[in-house]
This record gives sequence, structure tokens and C-alpha cells, in this order.
Amino acid sequence: EIVLTQSPRTVSLSPGERATLSCRASQSVSSRYLAWYQQRPGQAPRLLIHAASNRATGVPDRFSGSGSDTDFTLTISRLEPEDFAVYYCQQYGGSPLTFGGGTKVEIK
Amino acid sequence: QLQLQESGPGLVKPSETLSLMCTVSGGSISTGSYYWGWIRQPPGKGLEWIGAIYNSGSTYYNSSLKSRVIISVDTSNNQISLEVSSVTAADTAVYYCARHVGSAYSYGIYDHIYFYMDVWGVGTTVTVSS
Repeated sequence: EIVLTQSPRTVSLSPGERATLSCRASQSVSSRYLAWYQQRPGQAPRLLIHAASNRATGVPDRFSGSGSDTDFTLTISRLEPEDFAVYYCQQYGGSPLTFGGGTKVEIK
Repeated sequence: QLQLQESGPGLVKPSETLSLMCTVSGGSISTGSYYWGWIRQPPGKGLEWIGAIYNSGSTYYNSSLKSRVIISVDTSNNQISLEVSSVTAADTAVYYCARHVGSAYSYGIYDHIYFYMDVWGVGTTVTVSS
């Protein structure tokens, strides 16, 4: 099983700042099969990024994904008020599908 | 617009079977090359993939839950269902159904599963308690 470790667990930032979230895999994720989701309080997760860097339909371009092998990054270029949420990475290059523990982006 | 809606009892007794339904609207389970499946989230914790099914009935499960889980499809009613048997307090969670994008196949005794989830239901809370 591929274990995903997200860091930091919590980050405190102000609107307009840049957020950089990390997702590290315990082994190589084949074909860059890595997705990112946003979860606001009381809501279901929402797909942001798939295949490490492909934005899902309707996702603003301030969200970008990068990385390969075992190290992946989600960057939010300028935080908007609605971006304060928990973010999860998920790998789909190995069975079973696994998620990281999440990073909470909170308002400073 | 594709929508998924989970339904089922909010309270289940220990050792009994948890049964949930997911109704898909705004699109057909039978069209496209999508799988449909379940993910759960215990209170205050992260996400755990449970399993997925194709409209043909082909299923793939998380090996950690496989012995207790059954996912079924009803294409005539555009629904999938989830059963988890012999539940304990550890099965208390919000249960989400979601459309799965990607592919899967079995080779020998191994399943090779390559899905991400692009459309999610709102979730339903299930508590296991006597």
C-alpha cells in the first residue's frame, strides 16, 4: 500500500498570500497518478487536480499541481476567502487507492 | 448536471449490516466508461476508499474491507448500493458515493486499480451504536 504523507498539517496564511502544500509518497506513484481535492467544512471533497498537474473542469487557474515520482505539490497562487479549507492528495497508481491525511489552510 | 445522492439509516447497531443507496441523476450509470463507488470519512479524520462497480457488475474493493463489503448496481433505477456487514464503532463515518474516472483490471490474484473521483455526493452520516 502506498502511504501518502502531507505537510504541513496546518498552515496559517492571509488572503492574497501563496500556499504551497506537499504530498510525499512512500513509493513511486506510477504515471503521475496523483489527484488533489479540496474539502470545505461540512461539504464533500471537490476534485481540483488529476494526473498531478491537470486542473479539473471549472477549477480556477490559481490552483496548480506539480511533481512526480514520490514528491508532489499543490500551489494556490493567491488565496481567496473561499480557499480556506482542507486539502487531500490521493494516489491512483497502486492498489488500494489511498489518500493523504490532509493539510488545513486556515486564515491567519 | 450530474448529481449523486446517498440515502440510508443514520444509526446501525454493532454486529449488524450497514446498507446505503446512491441515486444518480442528470446522467446514466450505464453510459460512458465510468465506475461508481464509495468512500468514507470517520469523524475528524481522513478519507478511505471502499470500492467501486461498473455498470456490468464488475467490482473492485479495498482489500482491508473486502471480506465485509458488497457493492451492487441497479441500472434500471440508476442506483448503486453498499452493504458493510458485522459493523463496529470503527465503521462510524460519513459515507460518500462518487463517480470514478479511470480503469481497473485483475491479473491473477491481484487487482490493478487506477481511479480518481470527479463527482461526489453530499454524503450521509452513519453512526454505529447500540
